[in-house]
Amino acid sequence: DMQMTQSPPSVSASVGDRVIITCRASRPIYTWLAWYHQKPGQAPKLLIYSASRLQTGVPSRFSGSGSGTDFTLTITSLQPEDLGTYYCQQSNSFPITFGQGTRLEIK
Amino acid sequence: QVQLVESGGGVVQPGRSLRLSCAASGFTFSSYAMHWVRQAPGKGLEWVALIWHDGSNKNYADSVKGRFTISRDDSKSTLYLQMNSLRAEDTAVYYCARCTSYYDSSVDYWGQGTLVTVSS
Repeated sequence: DMQMTQSPPSVSASVGDRVIITCRASRPIYTWLAWYHQKPGQAPKLLIYSASRLQTGVPSRFSGSGSGTDFTLTITSLQPEDLGTYYCQQSNSFPITFGQGTRLEIK
Repeated sequence: QVQLVESGGGVVQPGRSLRLSCAASGFTFSSYAMHWVRQAPGKGLEWVALIWHDGSNKNYADSVKGRFTISRDDSKSTLYLQMNSLRAEDTAVYYCARCTSYYDSSVDYWGQGTLVTVSS
């Protein structure tokens, strides 16, 4: 199965900071990579698909990049509502797999 | 607007069966592939199953293959997950989710989830 490894496992940052989360696939996945944000007690929300395409309605402070095996999610100018857990997900091959998550705390 | 509403969760004994339903509205259900994704308490997301828009193909996680069956009724705009031989490790919130597009199996809409607890 395709392994998706996220880092860091957790991060604490201040409002206005830039945060970078990385996701590494165990084999190349082209750009079949999505990023989700999940707030406590809520369903996940799609942020980025196809590695770099911003989902409609998602603030432009979120951006994604990468291809092959290495991907990044960047949040510029962190906002209080950005707290929660971020997951990457590959859809290049079955079984579809998620990263283990990165928990983001606001200082 | 797109809505996905799951139902059918509850407490069930190990070895028993349960069927989850997901009522879809606000889009042409028959045009989209659909997923089930689950999340055990305090854990991360785990993909469970996918059914193509026309029902012609189904894919499953190894952890549920042979025990769970995904299906759809386009006339009712409803997605199902039949879960047999349930185990304690199947305890989770189960989300119904829509594929972003024909070519992209990421998820653009999620339901609110239904909790399944497998316990004696």
